Amino acid sequence: GQQVMQIPQYQHVQEGEDFTTYCNSSTTLSNIQWYKQRPGGHPVFLIQLVKSGEVKKQKRLTFQFGEAKKNSSLHITATQTTDVGTYFCACHAGGTSYGKLTFGQGTILTVHP
Amino acid sequence: DGGITQSPKYLFRKEGQNVTLSCEQNLNHDAMYWYRQDPGQGLRLIYYSQIVNDFQKGDIAEGYSVSREKKESFPLTVTSAQKNPTAFYLCASSIMVAGRLDTQYFGPGTRLTVL
Repeated sequence: GQQVMQIPQYQHVQEGEDFTTYCNSSTTLSNIQWYKQRPGGHPVFLIQLVKSGEVKKQKRLTFQFGEAKKNSSLHITATQTTDVGTYFCACHAGGTSYGKLTFGQGTILTVHP
Repeated sequence: DGGITQSPKYLFRKEGQNVTLSCEQNLNHDAMYWYRQDPGQGLRLIYYSQIVNDFQKGDIAEGYSVSREKKESFPLTVTSAQKNPTAFYLCASSIMVAGRLDTQYFGPGTRLTVL
């Protein structure tokens, strides 16, 4: 089935430093979604990317979808303690995969004040 | 107040007992999902349902069962056949738009501990 590899698994940063997590697939994706899960909480949808090369921004967060639609990244500028949590990418490749998402393993972000 | 509810938040059971986790949504979403999350791990799909009275196995369906008798409800039974049932269980729902999955909305989760 569809698999996505997400790196790094863990990232520790000082408050104010930047952070990036990457999501890679061996096959072309129809779209990719990003979710954030705070410690002890549930995943919350952040954004969906659909077009090749698409870039979207949400305040300090920048999301990119690769030109070949096989990879994506989430970049946080000047992290804050409120950014702590696990960031997941999720995708479905289309065809028979319609109807379910495959999640990456997630990147656990720790921000030290 | 719209959303997805899961109950209970914490659940303790003795080994060998079946247990049913509740998931209800009032978002009028067609599709519903059950995921399992283990500490420090991602989300693994157990079962999903795109319409009432129909459901499909996910990646780790063994030892679990579901039903979808109503659009709003998608209960998950963790049976005694599940070898390692202690985990955080998350229910989600989604609109299907032109056959394509839209955003998933998650419930608060049930943390199951089997003693």
